[in-house]
Amino acid sequence: SQQGEEDPQALSIQEGENATMNCSYKTSINNLQWYRQNSGRGLVHLILIRSNEREKHSGRLRVTLDTSKKSSSLLITASRAADTASYFCATDLGGGATNKLIFGTGTLLAVQP
Amino acid sequence: EAGVAQSPRYKIIEKRQSVAFWCNPISGHATLYWYQQILGQGPKLLIQFQNNGVVDDSQLPKDRFSAERLKGVDSTLKIQPAKLEDSAVYLCASSLHGGGLAKNIQYFGAGTRLSVL
Repeated sequence: SQQGEEDPQALSIQEGENATMNCSYKTSINNLQWYRQNSGRGLVHLILIRSNEREKHSGRLRVTLDTSKKSSSLLITASRAADTASYFCATDLGGGATNKLIFGTGTLLAVQP
Repeated sequence: EAGVAQSPRYKIIEKRQSVAFWCNPISGHATLYWYQQILGQGPKLLIQFQNNGVVDDSQLPKDRFSAERLKGVDSTLKIQPAKLEDSAVYLCASSLHGGGLAKNIQYFGAGTRLSVL
């Protein structure tokens, strides 16, 4: 079963605009990660936020985490056509050395030039 | 450093045939994962190895799927016999083992797209 549900399922914006994607999950987590997947490719790690963190930045990416609401958001600022991809949240439930990630359903982002 | 290598990239078979996928993880990564990604969905973990031992295979359909990681390096995932619903992309990933957040990040190969007709 998938732990995360992403919203929206699809998003279309113009280059230069900001894109916000949301992720909700069901159980307590150790950390939450965001991955990007370009069409026909594997997933690429973007950013990791620990359960005791509320916000994290990496370049044009900003991630927030609200453990009380079991939700996270990914903001991409000043989007570019190259940002067109599917974005997945993944929850790490912790529990020792297993490092098992449970992926959400994904948001398909299209950035129009 | 070289990334996770997978082959083949594409495979088309008929139902009831068998198929095998190969994965070579990043050098030094002790943990290896196989995921199934059905079109429009997120990846679902099939099996996780740590070195050559199985850590989690709870979602592996063991009546038809098998996987091995001999010598704790590369790995093979097999489906026998294949069903129509096995059509998906099969992704391999690897990660470091040990303390710290580095072990939490997974590195993915490009995947094998399987079509079962």
